[in-house]
Amino acid sequence: SALTQPRSVSGSPGQSVTISCTGTSSDVGGYNYVSWYQQHPGKAPKLMIYDVTKRPSGVPDRFSASKSGNTASLTISGLQAEDEADYYCCSYAGDYKVFGGGTKLTVL
Amino acid sequence: EVQLVESGGGLVQPGGSLRLSCTVSGFTFHNYWMSWVRQAPGEGLEWVANINQGGTETYYVDSVAGRFTISRDNAKNSLYLQLNSLRAEDTAVYYCARDVPVSYLDYWGQGDLVTVSS
Repeated sequence: SALTQPRSVSGSPGQSVTISCTGTSSDVGGYNYVSWYQQHPGKAPKLMIYDVTKRPSGVPDRFSASKSGNTASLTISGLQAEDEADYYCCSYAGDYKVFGGGTKLTVL
Repeated sequence: EVQLVESGGGLVQPGGSLRLSCTVSGFTFHNYWMSWVRQAPGEGLEWVANINQGGTETYYVDSVAGRFTISRDNAKNSLYLQLNSLRAEDTAVYYCARDVPVSYLDYWGQGDLVTVSS
């Protein structure tokens, strides 16, 4: 079943926010293959983090991530207006991938 | 520049069939796994299926196994998803994506809407 994310988070410009992603030992906790995606309205998802902590080329270092046990986390520091979007975590779960339900980030 | 372009979506009646296509450019298609991911209106992402480089390994989410078939034609740089026995709950935007096995999906198409309704 889907990984658990908060429905929404918010923060003011310049602040930091953290989005959690909770799974089980069969997905998040069992593998170091958690990825995070940013999706703006009407657009395709964009890869922001892979293999728990790695940033693809071109993704600002304001985006960082970690994992502890069955919970992964994405932290966005120095919030900017363009960070307002939906964020999805994803984990390998043995022969398939499973996504979180998504978190809407509002920049106040 | 990497590009993935989906096509073939549209309105179909419950129980009907549809074939989605994804044509890619900008990378060596036959070197990569590929996936389909869908997103129901106002909902989150759901991984649907993936296929290995040669088309000999395929995996499906339980909700579509036995109804959907993923395939590819490396000569045409194209990925396909055959959708059969469609249900209202299959209504979604379907994205194709380049799949790094086990790990992540690094390039995505713009998506194509499939609507299942009478």
